[in-house]
Amino acid sequence: KAGVTQTPRYLIKTRGQQVTLSCSPISGHRSVSWYQQTPGQGLQFLFEYFSETQRNKGNFPGRFSGRQFSNSRSEMNVSTLELGDSALYLCASSLLGRDRVNTGELFFGEGSRLTVL
Amino acid sequence: QQPVQSPQAVILREGEDAVINCSSSKALYSVHWYRQKHGEAPVFLMILLKGGEQKGHEKISASFNEKKQQSSLYLTASQLSYSGTYFCGTGPYSGTYKYIFGTGTRLKVLA
Repeated sequence: KAGVTQTPRYLIKTRGQQVTLSCSPISGHRSVSWYQQTPGQGLQFLFEYFSETQRNKGNFPGRFSGRQFSNSRSEMNVSTLELGDSALYLCASSLLGRDRVNTGELFFGEGSRLTVL
Repeated sequence: QQPVQSPQAVILREGEDAVINCSSSKALYSVHWYRQKHGEAPVFLMILLKGGEQKGHEKISASFNEKKQQSSLYLTASQLSYSGTYFCGTGPYSGTYKYIFGTGTRLKVLA
């Protein structure tokens, strides 16, 4: 069974640019969540999608956005990049359903490491 | 609000035991534990559900005190492969689909 796939793995951007990151969940997983990981802040929740709907959002500015497609693949976009956006962006998929019952673990991808110069 | 983990870091010799604690200021409905090795993705270890059900790793155990809003991860007879950063994750909270992760505990096992 293929795991969670994130692309690209590494990227370098300059301040003011925008970036789009992609995540393909495990087949059958309809919940996809995104996290920002930095040494100082740890793993911070960005947003979660289920059936193309964003169900919750973390405390990040509006420059951070995402979407989910009908095949459960998800993308996140960061516009007007700032130096502080440099981080590892992790995507995770799970069997978390409509009823909020925690049906199991999060399966993480290896992440996209973004460096903003 | 992020759950607070303690200790922040710990160094062990192979065969020693360790306990990692996770404390939340909000009511817990479930607690996940993950281990992340350097340069790798976090990997699931254990989930503890309200009511006492546990699912997870054979050689690692955990407890969940709902009243105290705390969870502890017990690593017995540590192996070199246990090295990494351990995160507790709480959620999803009632009414949300958020997972909130703890501050992390760096564990290093020495030969």
